[in-house]
Amino acid sequence: NAGVTQTPKFQVLKTGQSMTLQCAQDMNHNSMYWYRQDPGMGLRLIYYSASEGTTDKGEVPNGYNVSRLNKREFSLRLESAAPSQTSVYFCASSRAYEQYFGPGTRLTVT
Amino acid sequence: GIQVEQSPPDLILQEGANSTLRCNFSDSVNNLQWFHQNPWGQLINLFYIPSGTKQNGRLSATTVATERYSLLYISSSQTTDSGVYFCAVFEPGGGNKLTFGTGTQLKVEL
Repeated sequence: NAGVTQTPKFQVLKTGQSMTLQCAQDMNHNSMYWYRQDPGMGLRLIYYSASEGTTDKGEVPNGYNVSRLNKREFSLRLESAAPSQTSVYFCASSRAYEQYFGPGTRLTVT
Repeated sequence: GIQVEQSPPDLILQEGANSTLRCNFSDSVNNLQWFHQNPWGQLINLFYIPSGTKQNGRLSATTVATERYSLLYISSSQTTDSGVYFCAVFEPGGGNKLTFGTGTQLKVEL
């Protein structure tokens, strides 16, 4: 039982490049989330998916897109990376209100 | 949205000491989680505790929902307890996100 897994762990992008962050969970949870964590800002919700086939914007969705590929997988795409997107990205899944987090992806955009 | 405040903001302990961390929230909730973010950045679930008391080894937590606070007790602290401790509440009507507290930065020294 791996819980929530994320790939990659680290990534460096140049401004304007695109990439997809992958997230998978094996706990059969319906809801999945993407957060970003910045120093002094805490964790902020980017997008969430309450169930397979649905996605909704969170607090800071601009510059991101998501895909809920199936019940297990929820990906986050940066179409044209900007330095302001330098952050640590966490994926989470939940059963009701209890959330479980992945190990995070540390992204640097130069 | 709900405001979540934690105290103290910083704490330094000698190994073996006990401590109590506090989490206050501004509105009634029926859910609360405690997390430990270790020095490597991983967010680890400690407790899901909407009310009552739970214990897991050297850690225990108590939530008094009617008085809008929760306490996390760490006994016989170890250096591996270092990191940031967050409490968080889930707001289904507030964008389906976890609202994190301000955090307590704990350092345990030999």
